[in-house]
Formats: sequence, structure tokens, C-alpha cells
Amino acid sequence: KQEVTQIPAALSVPEGENLVLNCSFTDSAIYNLQWFRQDPGKGLTSLLLIQSSQREQTSGRLNASLDKSSGRSTLYIAASQPGDSATYLCAVIKAAGNKLTFGGGTRVLVKP
Amino acid sequence: SAVISQKPSRDICQRGTSLTIQCQVDSQVTMMFWYRQQPGQSLTLIATANQGSEATYESGFVIDKFPISRPNLTFSTLTVSNMSPEDSSIYLCSVEGGYTEAFFGQGTRLTVV
Repeated sequence: KQEVTQIPAALSVPEGENLVLNCSFTDSAIYNLQWFRQDPGKGLTSLLLIQSSQREQTSGRLNASLDKSSGRSTLYIAASQPGDSATYLCAVIKAAGNKLTFGGGTRVLVKP
Repeated sequence: SAVISQKPSRDICQRGTSLTIQCQVDSQVTMMFWYRQQPGQSLTLIATANQGSEATYESGFVIDKFPISRPNLTFSTLTVSNMSPEDSSIYLCSVEGGYTEAFFGQGTRLTVV
């Protein structure tokens, strides 16, 4: 059974610092890995999708890496801003049409 | 990408009643997924809804409690029946786009009193 873990559970940084969020999964037979952002009481916004054959994806200040063999992904957010404050979730999928398995999330607070 | 509209965005309901949540997608999709997020927890899949067939429920979730309809390729509903305070959660619908990228609605925040 796939298990996804996110460390740390919470993170507080001053504005301008880089953020490093970690995601690990126990079964390396994944189809892809996806990072999401969730604001309090709201739905999920897709940030980055990394296919299993890829090593990383970039979008603006966000960069996500994937090391499938070791079961790890890292989300980097450069030059953090107070608007980056949210919960970040990673999820893996085994195959098309399958369910997503989510980590517990990292709650981020960026202080002005 | 897919745009998903979910209604209602939030509701406060009396115990013993039922609430139906609607999910509308801007394109035709084969599968729609319903998730629950309990307070302070991550997301758990309730069921997968395919058009023209019965929904497939995950372990711990039953049709009598969470009936699902999927009348066409752009719409689905989830009903939370005979609610108790333990059903207070955020309920989210999701669809799968290209390369299995998942897209979510804005969620329904349910409080049962």
C-alpha cells in the first residue's frame, strides 16, 4: 500500500527566504507526482506535475524535483512572499484513472 | 486544464438531514472523483464516478451514506445522507486531465450541528 509523507508538517520563514518542502513515498512504481496548494477552507490548486520519466519541473519561482528510485520529491519556492502562505500537498498516482494518494501536507507561513 | 464548478461552497446543516453537492466540469471527462478532507487531515477518496455505471466506493465508504449520481460526462452529485457532526469536512470533486494531471473544484465546506 502506497504511503506518502510530508516533512515538515509546518514551516515558518521570514519573507524573502527560500522554501524547501519534502515529500516521500514508499512505492516507487508511480505514474506521476503532483504538487498542490490549498488555502484555508478551499479547494486544491495544481502547482506542478512531474511525470515519472522526468527529473524536475519549473514554473516561475517554483521548482519540483523527483527521484523516483529513492521515493522522494522536493518543492522549492524561491524568494518567498506572504502570499505563499498556504498548505502544500503532494500526491502520487499509480496509473491513469487511479486515485491520488496524498501526503499530510506542509503548512507554510511566510512572515512579512 | 479543466475548470470545475462546485456548489454549494459551504453549508451548515442539522444532524439527520442530507446535503447534495454538485460538480460541473467545463469539458467531458470519463471519470470524476469525490474526496473528503476532515479537519486538519489530508484528502481521502470516497468514490470514483463513471458515466453510465455505478460508482466505485473505497473501503469505509458505502453507497447508502454517500450516494453518487453521474448523469452525463460533465456533471456529478454527491449526497451526504443522515448527517452527523462527524461528517463535518470539506468535500471536493476532481477530474483527471492530460497526463493524469488532477484538477479540483473549490470544495464544499460542510458543518453539521
